[in-house]
Amino acid sequence: DIVMTQSPDSLAVSLGERATINCKSSQSVLYSSNNKNYLAWYQQKPGQPPKLLIYWASARDSGVPDRFSGSGSGTNFTLTITSVQAEDVAVYYCQQYFSNQYTFGQGTKLEIK
Amino acid sequence: EVHLVESGGGLVQPGGSLRLSCATSGFSFSSYWMSWVRQAPGKGLEWVANIREDGGETYYVDSVKGRFTISRDNANSSIYLHLKSVRADDTALYFCARAKRGYSGFDVSEYWGRGTLVAVSS
Repeated sequence: DIVMTQSPDSLAVSLGERATINCKSSQSVLYSSNNKNYLAWYQQKPGQPPKLLIYWASARDSGVPDRFSGSGSGTNFTLTITSVQAEDVAVYYCQQYFSNQYTFGQGTKLEIK
Repeated sequence: EVHLVESGGGLVQPGGSLRLSCATSGFSFSSYWMSWVRQAPGKGLEWVANIREDGGETYYVDSVKGRFTISRDNANSSIYLHLKSVRADDTALYFCARAKRGYSGFDVSEYWGRGTLVAVSS
C-alpha cells in the first residue's frame, strides 16, 4: 500500500502568518495518462467530519477560502495556508486516491501561537 | 441538499458482528462510489472500504479484509458495512462518504456523514 507521511505532526502559527504542511507518498500518485496527482487535503475540526479542501493536489473545492492552496507532484506535496485565521485551527490530512486502497497521512495539528 | 446519516453502531464483544448503515438523500445515489472511513478515539483517519456505483467493485484496507463487507442498495440509497470477527482495534467512529464526482472511478470524498461509534469490548 502507499504510505503517506506528513510533516510536521503539529505546528503553531501566529494569526495572519503562513502555515505550511508537507505530505510525502511512498510512491508516485501521478497518473501519467491524465497527468493528474491523486492527492487530496482535508480539514477536520473537533467533533466534526472531515471537510474536503483540495483535490488533484491543487484544485480548491467549492467554497474553500483562497488562503488555502495545494502544490506538488509525484511524491511530494504541500498545503499552504496564507494568513492563518482563528477558524483554521484543526487537524489537516492528506490522502492519496491513486491506488485501490486509499490511505491518509497521520494528520497535522494546527494551533494558534 | 446532500445528506448522509450513519447508524447501527454500538457496543459489541470481541469476535462479534455488527451491521452499519448509511442512509443518503439529495443526490442520484446510483451514480457515485461510496466509502467507509473510520477514526479511532483520538487518532487519525483510516480509509476502510469503498464500493462502485453498481456494487460491482469493492476494495478494503488490509486489516479488515475477510472480516468486513461493504454493500449497497441503490433502490434505497443506502450503503452498509458488515463487521464480523471484530477486534478491540476496530473501535472507532465510522463515517460514510460520497465521491465528489459521479461515475468517477477513484475519487475524493466530498460529502461525509457525522459517523456512528463502534466500541469493541467485553
